[in-house]
Amino acid sequence: EIVLTQSPATLSLSPGERATLSCRASQSISTYLVWYQQRPGQAPRLLIYDASRRATGIPDRFSGSGSGTDFTLTISSLEPEDSAVYYCQHRSNWPLTFGGGTKVEI
Amino acid sequence: QVHLVESGGGVVQPGRSLRLSCAASGFTFSSYGMHWVRQAPGKGLEWVAVIWYDGSNKYYADSVKGRFTISRDNSKSTLYLQMSYLRAEDTAVYYCARDVIPSTDYSGSGSYDALDIWGQGTMVIVSS
Repeated sequence: EIVLTQSPATLSLSPGERATLSCRASQSISTYLVWYQQRPGQAPRLLIYDASRRATGIPDRFSGSGSGTDFTLTISSLEPEDSAVYYCQHRSNWPLTFGGGTKVEI
Repeated sequence: QVHLVESGGGVVQPGRSLRLSCAASGFTFSSYGMHWVRQAPGKGLEWVAVIWYDGSNKYYADSVKGRFTISRDNSKSTLYLQMSYLRAEDTAVYYCARDVIPSTDYSGSGSYDALDIWGQGTMVIVSS
């Protein structure tokens, strides 16, 4: 089973600042990495898949990068509505696994 | 409009069974791999199971293997999760979710495993 480690656990920033979230895989997963946003009381929302492909309707302030074992989700200029927990997930093989999440506080 | 609506959650005693359903609408259900993902209270996301678009393959998390069964009825656009031998640690909100890309648009697998449409979730509480 592939273990995904997200850091930091919590990120406290101001509106307009840049957020950089990290996800590290326990083994190489090529670019088979997915990012989700989950606001309180809501279902997760797909942001990025295959490391850097933005899902439909996702603002371009969200971007993803990385390959192999190290991945980054960047929010270029934070908006108040970006307050949420962000999860990474790999789709390299089964079982799929999620990282533990990074909480972004604005 | 694309929708997934889960049902069947509730309070159940340890060791008993429960079946969850997920009704899909607004898309060609039979073209997509489908998943169950759960979230224990105050915890992160845990992937549970996947079923390929045609039902030909199913894969499970180790924590539920041998106890849970995922299935689908493409004629009814409905996904199921049969849960048996339930434990307290199975207490969670259970979400069904759809693959972002239909299986007809790629080759090599019957599920893409990036989840773009999620239901609102159904709560399962395992308690005596």
